Amino acid sequence: DTAVSQTPKYLVTQMGNDKSIKCEQNLGHDTMYWYKQDSKKFLKIMFSYNNKELIINETVPNRFSPKSPDKAHLNLHINSLELGDSAVYFCASSQDSWGGEQYFGPGTRLTVT
Amino acid sequence: GEDVEQSLFLSVREGDSSVINCTYTDSSSTYLYWYKQEPGAGLQLLTYIFSNMDMKQDQRLTVLLNKKDKHLSLRIADTQTGDSAIYFCATPGGGATNKLIFGTGTLLAVQP
Repeated sequence: DTAVSQTPKYLVTQMGNDKSIKCEQNLGHDTMYWYKQDSKKFLKIMFSYNNKELIINETVPNRFSPKSPDKAHLNLHINSLELGDSAVYFCASSQDSWGGEQYFGPGTRLTVT
Repeated sequence: GEDVEQSLFLSVREGDSSVINCTYTDSSSTYLYWYKQEPGAGLQLLTYIFSNMDMKQDQRLTVLLNKKDKHLSLRIADTQTGDSAIYFCATPGGGATNKLIFGTGTLLAVQP
């Protein structure tokens, strides 16, 4: 059974478009995250939700808007895509927001042309 | 903010030991983690160590923690070609959340 799944796996789109990436976890975890990994493999937290409540919001352009319809799902919507948004976006989840293992999804490779 | 540094690349021969190093700045970290990323895949937790421990052994993996120097290392004994991957150390970012600060990643290349 897939623990943390993301769709789509690959996304190629043009500058200026709006796109969404979806994430689902079936682990019963309370906390979910979005991370961005750039072309040099640097990995940085973007957002985190705990039980549908936003608890981490790093310095990210407001073109990025996360949404958590329930604690098993965390989606990422990106408006007016730019070349610099090209990266691999990873979703992760953990039992709670206080520590412990984070389980990562397989990633969504976004390419903006 | 927290800064976590690693060397970028390590090449070893199959059967040798690999040692991947990590330095961090936040001395209040309670757990320190090692994650593995295989090509085209997500991150997988390999092991972790509590900050009150100096060493943790888990089969072929040995984690050493030097809190005074803020230095963490991962030793892989009898390195296999399947160990080829990027290895990230990570520390909690502080505050009341489980935010992880990742190191820059070390690419381990195992030569047959």
